[in-house]
Amino acid sequence: RKEVEQDPGPFNVPEGATVAFNCTYSNSASQSFFWYRQDCRKEPKLLMSVYSSGNEDGRFTAQLNRASQYISLLIRDSKLSDSATYLCVVNPYSGGGADGLTFGKGTHLIIQP
Amino acid sequence: EAQVTQNPRYLITVTGKKLTVTCSQNMNHEYMSWYRQDPGLGLRQIYYSMNVEVTDKGDVPEGYKVSRKEKRNFPLILESPSPNQTSLYFCASGRGVGAGDTEAFFGQGTRLTVV
Repeated sequence: RKEVEQDPGPFNVPEGATVAFNCTYSNSASQSFFWYRQDCRKEPKLLMSVYSSGNEDGRFTAQLNRASQYISLLIRDSKLSDSATYLCVVNPYSGGGADGLTFGKGTHLIIQP
Repeated sequence: EAQVTQNPRYLITVTGKKLTVTCSQNMNHEYMSWYRQDPGLGLRQIYYSMNVEVTDKGDVPEGYKVSRKEKRNFPLILESPSPNQTSLYFCASGRGVGAGDTEAFFGQGTRLTVV
């Protein structure tokens, strides 16, 4: 069973729409969760952390469901510049450390004018 | 500016010709890692290092070597490149276990083509 699973897409969404996608993780002991964004042929960059209580950053909302072992990312009022691949990232180790990060393969999002 | 720097950004080489891709970070991070990224396969870890002189294999280490003689540098060495090593390579760094800050910082990538 893969540790972090995501629907690869692509998701084709009209500009201005709301889009949401999930990721599931297999290790129930996972401690911390993140979404990274990767533009075409560029390096991944941290988009936001995902907290148990959920968190919001502008048009982006991330939520964690520990019972069902999934995290979600919701993008409201999508912009053309939101087109990218979104990587779900999980750290199974307590105490943190970048060495524990496990990356999903990513969900490809295309915002269409 | 905090950054991870990889060189070269693009490289076309021939089978069997040894090459080195350099990676340097200026954030005093303990942890450094190399990934390759191929369509449909996501990021796959090649090697990682928890600190100076401490390196270990990732998921796809065959055909690669690394060294960590200084904290800031983590070069990736292909002793005898083959066409199946054509890929997009990323170096990453971050703080180690217990740091509580788990963000990984990536270099801009090296697109390698082996013909």
